[in-house]
Formats: sequence, structure tokens, C-alpha cells
Amino acid sequence: AQTVTQSQPEMSVQEAETVTLSCTYDTSESNYYLFWYKQPPSRQMILVIRQEAYKQQNATENRFSVNFQKAAKSFSLKISDSQLGDTAMYFCAFTRGADGLTFGKGTHLIIQP
Amino acid sequence: NAGVTQTPKFRILKIGQSMTLQCTQDMNHNYMYWYRQDPGMGLKLIYYSVGAGITDKGEVPNGYNVSRSTTEDFPLRLELAAPSQTSVYFCASSYRGYTFGSGTRLTVV
Repeated sequence: AQTVTQSQPEMSVQEAETVTLSCTYDTSESNYYLFWYKQPPSRQMILVIRQEAYKQQNATENRFSVNFQKAAKSFSLKISDSQLGDTAMYFCAFTRGADGLTFGKGTHLIIQP
Repeated sequence: NAGVTQTPKFRILKIGQSMTLQCTQDMNHNYMYWYRQDPGMGLKLIYYSVGAGITDKGEVPNGYNVSRSTTEDFPLRLELAAPSQTSVYFCASSYRGYTFGSGTRLTVV
């Protein structure tokens, strides 16, 4: 079974700073997908970024980028120029494909004005 | 496009009652999922389906049942509700990415 570990229950940074959220996972699979989801107080699950394991290039989406280290089974999320609207729970998730996502316990990110 | 629609948004059940959480998607996705999210935790997979007529258990299936008679609908049935089933339930569908519904907050008292 796959496991996903997020070791930072809560993080707080000042607006405009850069913040990195950590995620490690355990799997014996060679092909898989990794995700970061944002969950604001509205509880909606919002896709932030996606990474295919077979791609060596790190995924980026505007202010969001990942550092994917396949050998180390690490998948951290970097948020640049943080904004107040980035305040939310962030979940790291893993899937082999059709059998669903395995989530970490989440990191509560607080952006201070 | 409505995406993934879940009903109801909120529900309070008494211990021992039963109910069905509805989930409908209009994206013609084959893959559908039910998750539960307990306070302070990530989502855990209850059941999933890879197509009409095909369902399989996830990590936490006890106390739940599902069916998939059409591509669009994937209802989740709770029989004999227990306080341990108090949670927020999410339905999702997938094709190269996951689309989540807005969730159902269920309280069993």
C-alpha cells in the first residue's frame, strides 16, 4: 500500500514571502502521479499542480512549482510571492492510476498580512 | 458543465438510520470515487468504480455500499448509521485528473 507523509501540520509566513511545503511518499511502483490540492474553508478541493513520475522536469503553474525527487520519494510544493488567498489546507496526494488517490494529512498554511 | 454534483450538502442522521448520498457527473468520466474526510485529516477512499457495473473497495469501506448502474451516477449508501460515520464525504470523477464535488457534511447523533 502507498503512504503519503506531510510532516508540517501548520506553517505561517508573511505575505509576498516564499514558502515550501514538504511531502514524502512510499511506493514500489515506477509509474504514478503526484498532486497538490488546496482546500480553503469552503472545503472545495482545488487542484494546484500535478506531476507525472515519468517526467523528469518539475511541474510549474504560475506561482506554484514542485521539487520532484523520484529517488528520494519527495514531492515538495513551493509557493512564490505568497498571497492572502493562499491561506488554506494543502494536501499532497499519490495515485497509480484508476484506483484512486492516497492523501497525506495536510499542512495548514497561513499567510499573514 | 456542472461537473460533479453531490446532494445533500448537509444532513443529520440518528444512530441506526440509513441514507443515500447522491453523486452525479456530466463529464462522461468512467472513473468515480467516494472519499471521507475526518477533522484534521486527509481524504480516505471508501469505494471506487472504473465503469458502469464495476465497483471496488477502498481503504475504509465498512458500513457503506455503492452501486454504479450508469456512467453518470455513483450513489453511496449508509446502512445503520453510527457516530463513527460523522464526516465530510466527497465524490470525485477522473479522466487524466480528478474533479471533486463540493462535499456532504454528515452528522450522526
